Amino acid sequence: NAGVTQTPKFRVLKTGQSMTLLCAQDMNHEYMYWYRQDPGMGLRLIHYSVGEGTTAKGEVPDGYNVSRLKKQNFLLGLESAAPSQTSVYFCASSPSDRGLGTEAFFGQGTRLTVV
Amino acid sequence: GNSVTQMEGPVTLSEEAFLTINCTYTATGYPSLFWYVQYPGEGLQLLLKATKADDKGSNKGFEATYRKETTSFHLEKGSVQVSDSAVYFCALSETGSARQLTFGSGTQLTVLP
Repeated sequence: NAGVTQTPKFRVLKTGQSMTLLCAQDMNHEYMYWYRQDPGMGLRLIHYSVGEGTTAKGEVPDGYNVSRLKKQNFLLGLESAAPSQTSVYFCASSPSDRGLGTEAFFGQGTRLTVV
Repeated sequence: GNSVTQMEGPVTLSEEAFLTINCTYTATGYPSLFWYVQYPGEGLQLLLKATKADDKGSNKGFEATYRKETTSFHLEKGSVQVSDSAVYFCALSETGSARQLTFGSGTQLTVLP
């Protein structure tokens, strides 16, 4: 019963390096999301997807790109990492075919430090 | 736009104390309201929710009532336990928004034995 799995769990990058965070869900959910969590600011939406092959910008998309080539996977890319991208990143998924109040399911997070 | 304002933490209580964490919101439509909990080293998980005015969400002894007139969704528990120590997030989502969640800043709760 894996749910939402994020890879890697921890990473340290140097400024200017690139990396990709992988999110995989096994619940056949249509919607997927990437959030970042910073102290005192809660979680903020970076990008999201409403289905395979679609992506859309959230509240804080600058410096990030995403892809959803397969329904179960949602990738978050940092092309040129900056110290301001030091954060904890959470992936989440949610079904599209249920009513109000449908919950989102979260991964365990990726702690990224950019030095 | 939407926003959620949550009581600042951290909050430290003794076991069996009463807990209230305040949450108010601003939304353009008629949102669903949630409380998520994050235990140390884990992702967020849903604690409770409410989808319309005067609904009361409840789970594990926690309760919150959707108050449209005061745009609030305060979290309460009558008797906290050490195992309730976690970060609590109030959040909302609106119909037609692909279930995007707008979160409050989170409240760290520590319960001492």
